[in-house]
Amino acid sequence: GESVGLHLPTLSVQEGDNSIINCAYSNSASDYFIWYKQESGKGPQFIIDIRSNMDKRQGQRVTVLLNKTVKHLSLQIAATQPGDSAVYFCAENIWGGADGLTFGKGTHLIIQP
Amino acid sequence: DVKVTQSSRYLVKRTGEKVFLECVQDMDHENMFWYRQDPGLGLRLIYFSYDVKMKEKGDIPEGYSVSREKKERFSLILESASTNQTSMYLCASSRLQGEGTGELFFGEGSRLTVL
Repeated sequence: GESVGLHLPTLSVQEGDNSIINCAYSNSASDYFIWYKQESGKGPQFIIDIRSNMDKRQGQRVTVLLNKTVKHLSLQIAATQPGDSAVYFCAENIWGGADGLTFGKGTHLIIQP
Repeated sequence: DVKVTQSSRYLVKRTGEKVFLECVQDMDHENMFWYRQDPGLGLRLIYFSYDVKMKEKGDIPEGYSVSREKKERFSLILESASTNQTSMYLCASSRLQGEGTGELFFGEGSRLTVL
């Protein structure tokens, strides 16, 4: 089976609310994690990453949290906007690894007006 | 801006046809990848390449082959297309192991329909 997965296929939130998208991984050797955003008709785009020596990393309106104890990753989006509507994927790798990322199945974030 | 370009956004082919999907990157990356993306299955790795002339099987290589004659170009070939190869195909590139984070840079995708 895959080593990275997401808890929910679809998440619906009100515009302006905060969104939390969750991800579980099973490979204890993974030490690098990325969140990608994929808008309809486009390829995945990098949002934020985190290495396993960190628990939290913040970007512009996004925060990634990593809980290594339970192998859980989350993406928090503050003040969700219509442009945030997309499919979000978590992915894992060994730091500096070059044999490709392992992706979860994705969560479709839907923004309600 | 870094760029991964896939030659065709949309293709429609018939069963049994040979299909070429081309991908070019302008970042001088050593590694290149082909994924397919299907609803409910996420992204699955077909093949990847560490260097010119080199290729490695991913998780679902059956029915596909690849070619990397130049560093910037990675082609995916369907020798005899079948309907179950109808999918979105994504090309990606990354830096050499140990020289980068492992982040993949993706193209816009090629949506292939096999009739």
